[in-house]
Amino acid sequence: NAGVTQTPKFQVLKTGQSMTLQCAQDMNHEYMSWYRQDPGMGLRLIHYSVGAGITDQGEVPNGYNVSRSTTEDFPLRLLSAAPSQTSVYFCASSPGTGWDNEQFFGPGTRLTVL
Amino acid sequence: GENVEQHPSTLSVQEGDSAVIKCTYSDSASNYFPWYKQELGKRPQLIIDIRSNVGEKKDQRIAVTLNKTAKHFSLHITETQPEDSAVYFCAASRPDTGRRALTFGSGTRLQVQP
Repeated sequence: NAGVTQTPKFQVLKTGQSMTLQCAQDMNHEYMSWYRQDPGMGLRLIHYSVGAGITDQGEVPNGYNVSRSTTEDFPLRLLSAAPSQTSVYFCASSPGTGWDNEQFFGPGTRLTVL
Repeated sequence: GENVEQHPSTLSVQEGDSAVIKCTYSDSASNYFPWYKQELGKRPQLIIDIRSNVGEKKDQRIAVTLNKTAKHFSLHITETQPEDSAVYFCAASRPDTGRRALTFGSGTRLQVQP
């Protein structure tokens, strides 16, 4: 199993550009989530999904969209990139009910917005 | 919503000493408390977790204690080794309504001096 994979590993955007961060898992986990990690602020939840077709907002959803058309994939879209979105982004998946089980994190995407 | 505070933000110990990291949470309905370790440049990984029906859990040199009355839980690492150097995150979640997700603390950077 590849586990949780994320692409790209690094990305540089200009302000106003849009892009999609890809996340996929091959463990048949129903629960998937996106976090951003900024220095001194821990991991903050952007969006999450408890199953295909179901998504919900986390703590910091503004400027981001998600969709969950399959169990395996959970892409994160930046609509119009801003310097404040410079961060490391982690996707995670979890079995069962999800939020009260082990989260399996992807390797992360380091995004810089100029 | 849930708020998790973590202290200290940095901790330096000598190899062989013990390290203790403390977290407090705000939502008395929270019942799942995991700890994640993140080595430099890597993804977070679960090292131990505890549910509210137990007060302590041990796994070799790592233990977690939970005080539901005071709404705090702690990570204890004994006989620290240089490979324990990392950032440690606590988290909390509640089982039912509202945001079905973990809330993370801001992290503790542990440095073990050889």
